[in-house]
Amino acid sequence: DVKVTQSSRYLVKRTGEKVFLECVQDMDHENMFWYRQDPGLGLRLIYFSYDVKMKEKGDIPEGYSVSREKKERFSLILESASTNQTSMYLCASSPWDGRNTIYFGEGSWLTVV
Amino acid sequence: DAKTTQPTSMDCAEGRAANLPCNHSTISGNEYVYWYRQIHSQGPQYIIHGLKNNETNEMASLIITEDRKSSTLILPHATLRDTAVYYCILSNDYKLSFGAGTTVTVRA
Repeated sequence: DVKVTQSSRYLVKRTGEKVFLECVQDMDHENMFWYRQDPGLGLRLIYFSYDVKMKEKGDIPEGYSVSREKKERFSLILESASTNQTSMYLCASSPWDGRNTIYFGEGSWLTVV
Repeated sequence: DAKTTQPTSMDCAEGRAANLPCNHSTISGNEYVYWYRQIHSQGPQYIIHGLKNNETNEMASLIITEDRKSSTLILPHATLRDTAVYYCILSNDYKLSFGAGTTVTVRA
């Protein structure tokens, strides 16, 4: 079974703090993703990475950055957390096989106060 | 732009088949139909996908009409653990756009 592991399930951070959300996948997948999910807005793609050190902006990249130094690890960084970044963050991975079977982690609930 | 249309909610009796419809009348030739589900407070889970042929796996069956303008996800024997939001998604690249989905409640 594919395993996508997010380091923290629940976090509470203060406004202005730098926040790191870590994600590791164990299936040697090329693609990794960060989404956020908010009530009424569904899942929205923040960033996508198709290889080590490669990244592409998704639909809502503002206020976020990412890092992919190793194939299995994809980090989401909130440079200066704000209350409107309170959300559930979902990491996902998929193989580069022409299909689109994306495997999601359990999610990280971030509250910014 | 909503590329797929799904009912907002539906109920299903435990042990019975659950048939979840999805309309995608503007589907393009190279777009696959994907189904995911999301159980409360968890990440979405891949169920099945197809291009034009019907597909079956251990979780579900996917029936795609010949004109590909609609599809149906079939859960053959629904259990209480199948209660979730089910998403029908079209995609031909790495992006998946999750809409509101169908909230399926399986009742005992």
